[in-house]
Amino acid sequence: EPEVTQTPSHQVTQMGQEVILRCVPISNHLYFYWYRQILGQKVEFLVSFYNNEISEKSEIFDDQFSVERPDGSNFTLKIRSTKLEDSAMYFCASSDFLQYEQYFGPGTRLTVT
Amino acid sequence: QQPVQSPQAVILREGEDAVINCSSSKALYSVHWYRQKHGEAPVFLMILLKGGEQKGHEKISASFNEKKQQSSLYLTASQLSYSGTYFCGTIASGGGADGLTFGKGTHLIIQP
Repeated sequence: EPEVTQTPSHQVTQMGQEVILRCVPISNHLYFYWYRQILGQKVEFLVSFYNNEISEKSEIFDDQFSVERPDGSNFTLKIRSTKLEDSAMYFCASSDFLQYEQYFGPGTRLTVT
Repeated sequence: QQPVQSPQAVILREGEDAVINCSSSKALYSVHWYRQKHGEAPVFLMILLKGGEQKGHEKISASFNEKKQQSSLYLTASQLSYSGTYFCGTIASGGGADGLTFGKGTHLIIQP
């Protein structure tokens, strides 16, 4: 069964550094998403991406964040100048139709020290 | 605004049934149900769309009351593997939004 993959599984970075989280969505899916989950809390929507542009973004997704689809398979989330409060699990998800079911990847645990 | 889930936690014996509820103050286009086990990704269970369309796993059933903006997930004859946190995610009507707004989750513990 096709699945979303994410790398790395765990990233440790120092405050102020930039990180890039990578995702490979399910191959025939057209809509891509990033979510984050702070430990013990609910999953929060960050951004959706379709047709090489941002479709929707939440209040969390400020200028510190950016997304890119650098090639036909990868989808990346860049976090500039990381802060302690950026420590969370970041999930990538994809879906084949707008507003239909979204399949989540295994996540990248980001730890900012 | 996030959907409200109830109950916050449920403890069941294997074989018992459970109902998890999700309600929203906004008119909804769809409700999505996920189960998450500790340290793992949310796993898609069911989507219910305005107009009655549903799609999900065979052993999972759910309902969506469009007038009340409420959804319920029905877990019957629970198994140990059903343990985890259940989240509902919603997409509001009318705005073309596609990001899910999740509730705080319902923790389900199944005991042998």
